[in-house]
Amino acid sequence: ELKVEQNPLFLSMQEGKNYTIYCNYSTTSDRLYWYRQDPGKSLESLFVLLSNGAVKQEGRLMASLDTKARLSTLHITAAVHDLSATYFCAGENGGSQGNLIFGKGTKLSVKP
Amino acid sequence: GAVVSQHPSWVICKSGTSVKIECRSLDFQATTMFWYRQFPKQSLMLMATSNEGSKATYEQGVEKDKFLINHASLTLSTLTVTSAHPEDSSFYICSARDGPPTGGTEAFFGQGTRLTVV
Repeated sequence: ELKVEQNPLFLSMQEGKNYTIYCNYSTTSDRLYWYRQDPGKSLESLFVLLSNGAVKQEGRLMASLDTKARLSTLHITAAVHDLSATYFCAGENGGSQGNLIFGKGTKLSVKP
Repeated sequence: GAVVSQHPSWVICKSGTSVKIECRSLDFQATTMFWYRQFPKQSLMLMATSNEGSKATYEQGVEKDKFLINHASLTLSTLTVTSAHPEDSSFYICSARDGPPTGGTEAFFGQGTRLTVV
């Protein structure tokens, strides 16, 4: 079964700095997802990465996928306080159902 | 993207009572819906897969007699927590795909239901 490991689990950073969250997965996954979750809220879809070498950017966030290394990254550029949230990566479980397997999440805190 | 609507957003119930949570796909048909549970400061864990017109598939450790799932139509799945106990207090989130897993479809999530059992 697919396993998804995310690190770091906690990230405290200053505004204006850059950082990367890493997501390793154990077996083939057709897609890799990145979500944002604010306290008490559900998941907000950030990126869906479909193929090797895929790179997507939205604002200060950029996600990439390396299927050969089974690694996805979420890069934060010039962080701002509004980015403070918990970020999850998720891969698709094998088989015909298509449920997602989530990493443990990275709690990001951006301080002034 | 497609919209998944979950209701209620939060519910407080007494221990021993039952609570029903609805999950609707508003603008697409979903033959399969998923129910996840998230305890505080933890990740999402799949509880069960809901299949329209057939029995749900439960993950190991999830009591099927306690968490009743009904997927009676292509746009509605319900999760009923029976004889709720305080340890069932959690954030329940449903998800649906806008098509089969292959072929460029995506998983969409409902707003979640915060269940508190007192």
